[in-house]
Amino acid sequence: AQSVTQLDSQVPVFEEAPVELRCNYSSSVSVYLFWYVQYPNQGLQLLLKYLSGSTLVKGINGFEAEFNKSQTSFHLRKPSVHISDTAEYFCAVTLSGSARQLTFGSGTQLTVLP
Amino acid sequence: EAGVTQFPSHSVIEKGQTVTLRCDPISGHDNLYWYRRVMGKEIKFLLHFVKESKQDESGMPNNRFLAERTGGTYSTLKVQPAELEDSGVYFCASSQLASGGAFDEQFFGPGTRLTVL
Repeated sequence: AQSVTQLDSQVPVFEEAPVELRCNYSSSVSVYLFWYVQYPNQGLQLLLKYLSGSTLVKGINGFEAEFNKSQTSFHLRKPSVHISDTAEYFCAVTLSGSARQLTFGSGTQLTVLP
Repeated sequence: EAGVTQFPSHSVIEKGQTVTLRCDPISGHDNLYWYRRVMGKEIKFLLHFVKESKQDESGMPNNRFLAERTGGTYSTLKVQPAELEDSGVYFCASSQLASGGAFDEQFFGPGTRLTVL
C-alpha cells in the first residue's frame, strides 16, 4: 500500500517570498504523483502531476514540483507567492496504470501574509 | 461544461438520523469516486464506481454506509444511522474511462460538509 506524508501542516510566508511545501511518499511499486489545491469553499483542483518522463513538472499558477525517486519526495515550489495562493495544498499518489483511487497526505495550509 | 456538483453543501443532523449525499459527475465520466476527510486528517478513499458497478469499495468504513449509482449517472451516499465519527467533508470525483491503462485526471466537487451532533 502507498502512503503520503506532508511534513508541514501550516506554512506562513510573506508575499513575494519563495515557498516549498514538502511531500514524501512510500510505495513498493511505480506510482503517479499529484499536487491538488483547495481554495476556500471550492473543490480540489489539480495543480500538477508526475506520470513519467522529466522529473521537473510545471503546473498552473507558477507552481512546479520535482520528483526525486531516491528520496521518495515530490516537493512543491513557487519562487514568488501571492496573497491569492493562500489555500490548502494536498499531495497525493496513485498506482501507475489505469484508474485508481488516490491516497492523500494530510494537507498543508499555506498562508501568504502581506 | 459543468463540473462535478454535490448536494447539499452542508448538512447538520443528529446522531441516529439518516442522511443522503448526492454527487453529479461531469457528463460522460464513467469513473466516480467518493472520498471523505475527517477534521484535520487526510482525505481518504471510500469507493469507486465504473458506470453503475462498484469497482472498489474497500474504503467504506462499515455497513452503515451505502452507495449507489443507478444508471451510471449520479451517485448517492447514504449514512444510516449516522454516528458522531461520521462528521467530515465528503468529496466526490469523476474521471473519464481511459483505455490501455492511460491515466485520467480526477475532477473533484466542492464537497458536502456533514456534521453529526
